[in-house]
Parts: sequence; C-alpha cells; structure tokens
Amino acid sequence: DADVTQTPRNRITKTGKRIMLECSQTKGHDRMYWYRQDPGLGLRLIYYSFDVKDINKGEISDGYSVSRQAQAKFSLSLESAIPNQTALYFCATSGRGNYGYTFGSGTRLTVV
Amino acid sequence: QKEVEQNSGPLSVPEGAIASLNCTYSDRGSQSFFWYRQYSGKSPELIMFIYSNGDKEDGRFTAQLNKASQYVSLLIRDSQPSDSATYLCAVNSGITGGGNKLTFGTGTQLKVEL
Repeated sequence: DADVTQTPRNRITKTGKRIMLECSQTKGHDRMYWYRQDPGLGLRLIYYSFDVKDINKGEISDGYSVSRQAQAKFSLSLESAIPNQTALYFCATSGRGNYGYTFGSGTRLTVV
Repeated sequence: QKEVEQNSGPLSVPEGAIASLNCTYSDRGSQSFFWYRQYSGKSPELIMFIYSNGDKEDGRFTAQLNKASQYVSLLIRDSQPSDSATYLCAVNSGITGGGNKLTFGTGTQLKVEL
C-alpha cells in the first residue's frame, strides 16, 4: 500500500457543488500539506498543518477549507467548486527536520 | 518576482550526455534545497537534497549549491531516456513552527534523445 493515499484519483464535478478530497498517510508524519498544480504555474500551497490542532493558510487558500481529522488524515474541501479550480491536487507529508516531502499520487479534479 | 525560478525548457540532451538543470531563489534565509522528478501525470519524487555549499553526489546525480549566488543545480550524468521528465526545484525558506514549508519552481522539462 502507498504511504500517502489520496482519494478519489479522478473526479468530475459541476460548478457550485461541494467536493472533498481526502488524504491519509501511514508514514507517521506530523506535517501534512495540500498543493495544487497547474500547467506553467507549478505547485502552489493551499493549506498546511504541522499537527492535529494546527491549520495554516497557504498562498492560495481562497475557496478552499481543510480538516485535520487525525494525525494521519487531512481533507481538502471546495465549498462551491468553480471551473478555475480545475487542477491536479497533491497531498504531501513530511517529518521533523528538513527531509523533504512524500507526495500522494494526486487527484485530478475537473469542474465543469 | 518568483521566489524560485527555473527555465521551463524543454532541455534536450543526447543519451549518455550530462544534463545540467539550474534553479535560482530569492530568499537568502533559505536553508535546504530539494530536487524532485515528476513524470507526466504522476506525483513528484524526491531525488536529491542539499543543505551545505558545494556538491553532493548520489549515483548519476550531483546537486550543487552556491548560497552566495543563490543558485542550486542538478547534474545528471550518462543521461538515459528514462530520465526524461520534469525536474522541480524546491526551497525550504526556514523552519516555521518546527516544520517544513517548501516553495517550488515551475520545473524544467528534460528530454533525453536516442
């Protein structure tokens, strides 16, 4: 099984719908992150959490919310999806220290 | 000004050649630097990290860091077609709240041609 699991892998949803992307990890890491990736724009940070009681906005948090249900689970919600939220979304985790991230396999979201 | 800059490419090199990928960053307080490889439609995979000035070698990969000039590079020796991917540079601009927060460049696409 993957260390960082994202569900769903692909999703098509309609404008205005609420959608939740889920991330779970078995690495025992405290830190979890949500990024989106768009062609030409790279990976941009949406939200991050350094422990269960810690939630922080990233550079592009508008239109998104998150929930850290447990050390191993970090969910991203789009309250009312819009077409420019069409992107590839990645969850990532990291442990203490500067050892980089482990990424999930991504969720390709299309808003029509 | 972008915090982490990379040439988008594509960078084309023949099989067996050395591929040189470059990255500059704006925050002088940056402490650690990472190179990720990303195949099309897949997730980024960590291949190298470096903290100190100089070179760090791992197999065919060498990361080079020059903090005074604020650049980091990745050399891939004996390039193979399987190295064809987008390479992302990431910078940790300091430990906030005890954890990492990486800023990524937009990536350089590498094509290794037969």
